[in-house]
Amino acid sequence: DIVMTQSPDSLAVSLGERATINCKSSQSVSSSSNHKNYLAWYQQKPGQHPKLLISWASTRESGVPDRFSGSGSGTDFTLTISSLQAEDVAVYYCQQYYTTPPRTFGQGTKVEIK
Amino acid sequence: EVQLLESGGGFIQPGESQRLSCAASGFTFSSYAMSWVRQAPGKGLEWVSDISGSGGTTYHADSVKGRLTISRDNSKDTLYLQMNSLRADDTAVYYCAKMGGSGSLNDAFDVWGQGTMVTVSS
Repeated sequence: DIVMTQSPDSLAVSLGERATINCKSSQSVSSSSNHKNYLAWYQQKPGQHPKLLISWASTRESGVPDRFSGSGSGTDFTLTISSLQAEDVAVYYCQQYYTTPPRTFGQGTKVEIK
Repeated sequence: EVQLLESGGGFIQPGESQRLSCAASGFTFSSYAMSWVRQAPGKGLEWVSDISGSGGTTYHADSVKGRLTISRDNSKDTLYLQMNSLRADDTAVYYCAKMGGSGSLNDAFDVWGQGTMVTVSS
């Protein structure tokens, strides 16, 4: 099974500042045949269901603010919130869907306002 | 509007059975693979099961294999999770989720339901 490890477990960022979350997979989740990265980022606000922010490592979903961006390939990926807003307080999860079953999630990163 | 609405959760005694349902609307249900994902109280997300659009391919996590079974009825636009021999560690919010437009099982979850809580306790 591919193990997904996020860092940090939590972070507190001032409003308007940058937040960076890292996700490392135990083996590559990138395909050499189609050059796709099978990595998604989800946001889960308190009391709500998860919401897809980014798929294929860097493709933002429709309606997701452009302050959210994803990057990386192979085993190392990053979610960046360029200017943190109050409504971004949430837990963020990465997930690989390259090798399934099982599709695996990171443990989550809690983002708070400093 | 694409929507997923789960039902069937509740308080269940250990060893008993329960069936969860997920009613889909706003998209061509049979064209998309679907999944169940659960979240124990205060914990992270755990993938449970996948099913292809036709229902011909299913996968289950090792932790639920032989006890929880995913299925679908494309004539009713409904996804199911049959849960047998329930244990305390099955206590969680169960979400149904739709996979994205690639048509394969190797895709992200682009739509989630609101979840249904299952509590297994005596």
